[in-house]
Parts: sequence; structure tokens; C-alpha cells
Amino acid sequence: SQQGEEDPQALSIQEGENATMNCSYKTSINNLQWYRQNSGRGLVHLILIRSNEREKHSGRLRVTLDTSKKSSSLLITASRAADTASYFCATVSGGYNKLIFGAGTRLAVHP
Amino acid sequence: EPEVTQTPSHQVTQMGQEVILRCVPISNHLYFYWYRQILGQKVEFLVSFYNNEISEKSEIFDDQFSVERPDGSNFTLKIRSTKLEDSAMYFCASEKSRSRDTEAFFGQGTRLTVV
Repeated sequence: SQQGEEDPQALSIQEGENATMNCSYKTSINNLQWYRQNSGRGLVHLILIRSNEREKHSGRLRVTLDTSKKSSSLLITASRAADTASYFCATVSGGYNKLIFGAGTRLAVHP
Repeated sequence: EPEVTQTPSHQVTQMGQEVILRCVPISNHLYFYWYRQILGQKVEFLVSFYNNEISEKSEIFDDQFSVERPDGSNFTLKIRSTKLEDSAMYFCASEKSRSRDTEAFFGQGTRLTVV
């Protein structure tokens, strides 16, 4: 089974608009994290939300977690062209901290 | 700001050759990981390493793969006899601890191309 599946697969918006990406997962988790990847580059950690948290903010980012639905969303407010990247959710389960990544959402923000 | 560094950034190798990918984790981190990302696909866990031994490995991490922390700073991934399907971006990551809030820090990756 897949863990950490995002939708949409691709999202195209104008600068200034909000971007919302969703992630679903199948097993119970310790935490859920969102990462950003610019084309062909490394993964940059954005935000971590613990399984007992429902919402978390960091700058223009807002993450929600609904453990009953096994889903999370990442909201980027007032998007900028520089936000253009792929965004991945990743879950941590069990006793080890390996990350299980979803397939990602490719976000394009047009000036 | 401390960072995870990986070398080389790009490696081209012939099928059947051995490659070693190198990583320098953040100095006070204790847990180390390798992940890979085949072009256009999701990032996949390969192996985790702690206290000089493998903690967990995925099905991908077969006998052709090995990891080592030879000198207390470098963390290497060796592929003994590369196959075309090993072509991917390989990421090293490190963590300070295993608390529930632990953030993994990733390197910029090594793009391995097997020809």
C-alpha cells in the first residue's frame, strides 16, 4: 500500500493566490512532514506536525492534520513565483524515523 | 547554518562498475539515512544507520549495496556492481535524535547515471 499520497499531482496558480496541497496516508503515524524540492535539487524541510497536533503555522505555511481521515493539507498563502517547486509529504511511523514519501505535487506559480 | 554535504554532485559510471557516494552529515547528528529518487518518481528509503550499524533497510537495499561510516565523519553508500536501474538521485540525510519532533536534514544529492 502507498503511504503519503498527494493530490493534486500538479497545480498551476497566479502569484498572490493561495495554493493547497493534500496528502493521504494509510497507517498510523508519529508525525507528518512536508518537504520542498526545487527541480533536480535537494529536499528542504518545511514543517513537521505531530500526530497529536491538528494545525501548525510557519510563516506563509499552514499545515493541518486529521488523523481520523489520515490526511494532511499544506496551504501556502500569497504565493510567489519563487514558491515554484515540488512539494512532498512524508510520514514517520513506528520505532524508526525513516520517512515514507508521497509522489509529490508540482506547484507552478506564474508571475 | 550546518548542512549535510554530498559528493560528487553528479557521477557517471559504466554498468557493472562499483561506485561510492559520499556524505558528510551534520557533526552532532547520530542517525543517518540514504534515500533515492528515480527521475520523476517518489523519494524512497534505502537504509538507516545508527551506532555503526544498520538499523533498518528496505527491499531495494540488497547485497549490492553497503553503507559505512569509516572515520566518524563520512557516511558512504557503495554500490558494488551498478545496473542501469540504479540510475537515480541519491540523498543522504541525518538527524540529531529520534524524538517525535526530529527533523531530517538532507544533502543536495548525488545524481548517479549508469550507462
